Amino acid sequence: DAGVIQSPRHEVTEMGQEVTLRCKPISGHDYLFWYRQTMMRGLELLIYFNNNVPIDDSGMPEDRFSAKMPNASFSTLKIQPSEPRDSAVYFCASSRVSPLHFGNGTRLTVT
Amino acid sequence: QKEVEQDPGPLSVPEGAIVSLNCTYSNSAFQYFMWYRQYSRKGPELLMYTYSSGNKEDGRFTAQVDKSSKYISLFIRDSQPSDSATYLCAMGAGNNRKLIWGLGTSLAVNP
Repeated sequence: DAGVIQSPRHEVTEMGQEVTLRCKPISGHDYLFWYRQTMMRGLELLIYFNNNVPIDDSGMPEDRFSAKMPNASFSTLKIQPSEPRDSAVYFCASSRVSPLHFGNGTRLTVT
Repeated sequence: QKEVEQDPGPLSVPEGAIVSLNCTYSNSAFQYFMWYRQYSRKGPELLMYTYSSGNKEDGRFTAQVDKSSKYISLFIRDSQPSDSATYLCAMGAGNNRKLIWGLGTSLAVNP
């Protein structure tokens, strides 16, 4: 079991650029979650999927954020255009019946 | 008032000490409670999961839930330098997959 795999580990981009974060969940897990973590706000749930279908996207901050899950083994989180306040660590997590299994995150810096 | 309150610390203790970490919550609907450990530059990993009031022990770790007081605790006995991490509490209700998270407590165990 390779765990949840996220790429890239680090992303530095300029304001206004498009950013795409990628996630491969654990095989057999039917739930996938995208979280954002900052010092001030902690872990915030952005969106989660069940069987590739978005269930709750109420945490997505703005229309600049979008997420897709085209199949059970891949999901993307896209920010377009990016802004400095989007700088944070973005985590993907997956689960089946059990609690969440997190990836090691993508550290995004928008200058 | 936040739904979950957790003192961010930092907490610094000598090796071998007993550590007590706590969270309070306001939503009486919460039914299950978790503690996650997060090492620097890593994703959170599940440490303890409890579904009801009372104590649950796993090695040097004990999770305690007091629903009447809306208070949960994590005790670490014989603390080790490898326990140095941020500890996050999380809780949820029913079939809702949206967990509510504390901000995390930073712990340093000094050899």
